Amino acid sequence: ETGVTQSPTHLIKTRGQQVTLRCSSQSGHNTVSWYQQALGQGPQFIFQYYREEENGRGNFPPRFSGLQFPNYSSELNVNALELDDSALYLCASSYDSGTSAPGELFFGEGSRLTVL
Amino acid sequence: RKEVEQDPGPFNVPEGATVAFNCTYSNSASQSFFWYRQDCRKEPKLLMSVYSSGNEDGRFTAQLNRASQYISLLIRDSKLSDSATYLCVVNMWNYGGSQGNLIFGKGTKLSVKP
Repeated sequence: ETGVTQSPTHLIKTRGQQVTLRCSSQSGHNTVSWYQQALGQGPQFIFQYYREEENGRGNFPPRFSGLQFPNYSSELNVNALELDDSALYLCASSYDSGTSAPGELFFGEGSRLTVL
Repeated sequence: RKEVEQDPGPFNVPEGATVAFNCTYSNSASQSFFWYRQDCRKEPKLLMSVYSSGNEDGRFTAQLNRASQYISLLIRDSKLSDSATYLCVVNMWNYGGSQGNLIFGKGTKLSVKP
C-alpha cells in the first residue's frame, strides 16, 4: 500500500464524452504527477502539480487538464474523449523540498479508462 | 530514436538463473536513473535507483554508464516472484521546485519458470 488512492478504478466512456479522475496523495506529499499507460507501453508523463500549480507538462493536448487542491489531492480531466485515450491513468505523489533532489514517486493503482 | 529503449522480451528463464536487462537513453542531460517493477495490471513500484558507481541490493545489481548512455539490471538466483515487467526510467530534474518528469521505457517482461 503506497497511500496513494485513485478513483474510479474502472470506467467506460464513449467518444466525445468528458471524464474526471481523482487522486489522493500520500500524507506529507506536496507533488502529484499524472501518467498515461497504454497497453504494452511504459507510462507517459502527462503533467505534474506542485503547490497547486502545473509544474511541467508532457506531450499531451490541452484537452488534458488538471487541478491540485490545497490538501494536495488532484484531478485529471479529459475532454472530447478519443478511442486512443483508452489506457491506465496513474497518479503518483512525492515530496519536493524545492532545494534538493526529488523524492521517490509513489504510484496509485490507477484508473482504467475504456473509450468506446 | 526513442528517449528510453529496452528489449521488450519476454525473457523466459528457469528458477535460479541469472538474467540481465539493458536499457539505453537518448538525452545526455538525464540526471537520475531508476529501475521500476510492474506486476501484471498493477502500478509501477521503485525497485532501485541506479548510480554511476553501480549499486547492489541483495540479488539485484544496477549499473550506469553515462558515457555510453546505458543502464543495466542484473538479477541473480531468479525466483518465481521476480516474474514481472521491469521498467527502465530516467529523470531530468532541476532545483527550484521542478521535479522534471520520469521517462519510462516500454519495459522488459520477465517470466521465471519452476
